Amino acid sequence: NAGVMQNPRHLVRRRGQEARLRCSPMKGHSHVYWYRQLPEEGLKFMVYLQKENIIDESGMPKERFSAEFPKEGPSILRIQQVVRGDSAAYFCASSPPPPDTSYNEQFFGPGTRLTVL
Amino acid sequence: LAKTTQPISMDSYEGQEVNITCSHNNIATNDYITWYQQFPSQGPRFIIQGYKTKVTNEVASLFIPADRKSSTLSLPRVSLSDTAVYYCLVGDVYSSASKIIFGSGTRLSIRP
Repeated sequence: NAGVMQNPRHLVRRRGQEARLRCSPMKGHSHVYWYRQLPEEGLKFMVYLQKENIIDESGMPKERFSAEFPKEGPSILRIQQVVRGDSAAYFCASSPPPPDTSYNEQFFGPGTRLTVL
Repeated sequence: LAKTTQPISMDSYEGQEVNITCSHNNIATNDYITWYQQFPSQGPRFIIQGYKTKVTNEVASLFIPADRKSSTLSLPRVSLSDTAVYYCLVGDVYSSASKIIFGSGTRLSIRP
């Protein structure tokens, strides 16, 4: 059973460009979470999605950031008009639906490292 | 969500037992205690979870005193590959799936 897949692993963008980060959850998982990690810091929650629904986006910046998890295909985190401050590692995690959801146990992908020049 | 406090960093040597303590004075009745491990350039990995007393798995042990205001993650006979950041977090066991609030973690460095 493949783990959580993220691509690309590394992404370089110039200021003003768009960044698209993809996440394929583990097989059978319908809950997806996105986190951002700045160097030497802990992970910060951004958004929690289920298929076709955003459940909690309390950690998402109000502008330029959006996320989706369509019925078919991977979850996408989209950052428009990137700025240098967006440079970070972006991690995706997934968990199975109830009743198999084990509280606070999420499975993380390897991350996408975004560098904005 | 209960706030946790843990040491910023710890050093140890190969073959030693390492204990990382986490304080969570405001832990609620329904809260579980969970530990994650993050290696450099990788995503966090769930390692252990408990409610009270002691939990042990193939990776670590978790000791929780009766008042549950703290917990200790114990790594037996560490090796260089245990160098990582360890995160302690607590949250409601009865809540549905939700976000994880990570603190700054404890950066563990193992020396030969």
